[in-house]
Amino acid sequence: GAVVSQHPSRVICKSGTSVKIECRSLDFQATTMFWYRQFPKKSLMLMATSNEGSKATYEQGVEKDKFLINHASLTLSTLTVTSAHPEDSSFYICSARRTFEGEQYFGPGTRLTVT
Amino acid sequence: GESVGLHLPTLSVQEGDNSIINCAYSNSASDYFIWYKQESGKGPQFIIDIRSNMDKRQGQRVTVLLNKTVKHLSLQIAATQPGDSAVYFCAEGQTGANNLFFGTGTRLTVIP
Repeated sequence: GAVVSQHPSRVICKSGTSVKIECRSLDFQATTMFWYRQFPKKSLMLMATSNEGSKATYEQGVEKDKFLINHASLTLSTLTVTSAHPEDSSFYICSARRTFEGEQYFGPGTRLTVT
Repeated sequence: GESVGLHLPTLSVQEGDNSIINCAYSNSASDYFIWYKQESGKGPQFIIDIRSNMDKRQGQRVTVLLNKTVKHLSLQIAATQPGDSAVYFCAEGQTGANNLFFGTGTRLTVIP
């Protein structure tokens, strides 16, 4: 149990376009979902926290107008990278938490390459 | 944010030996600590966690030790296997808070 999926697993897009990444909790309802970014050989950096039905809370330095997060249901959160640039190329990972103090279950990640 | 660091960025061990991966943290308010394993191109996988009211917790082939006095966390892997080769992250959090803060990671390489 507690499986989190992400789609797509890899995406290549052109500079200036937008790309949407989906994060789904497959067998549980996630009250909170998290989006992380990971550069090669680096650690995970929390970008934002989203609770179902409310606005996401962004970490300092993360542009909320560039990284749009929607958590419309208890099993789905989306991250849209708007007007992507090559420096947005990264590994994006989501996680989902069942209860306020529960464990975070991580998705497999999405590799975004902006050309 | 909080600082969570690792003493060694890489660790190579012989198959069958025990591995010890260390982690230092700086936020004394953190009361929840987790070790994750991340294989290349995949998301982190939960290994074991420990709360601050404990100093040791054992799982299958893994043991986590917590020393709150010096803000140090370690992961011990017994009889390390090639499948254990991965990057290991420690993460810290606080009860009642959403966030986990991740350390920089240690790459464990198991030599057959």
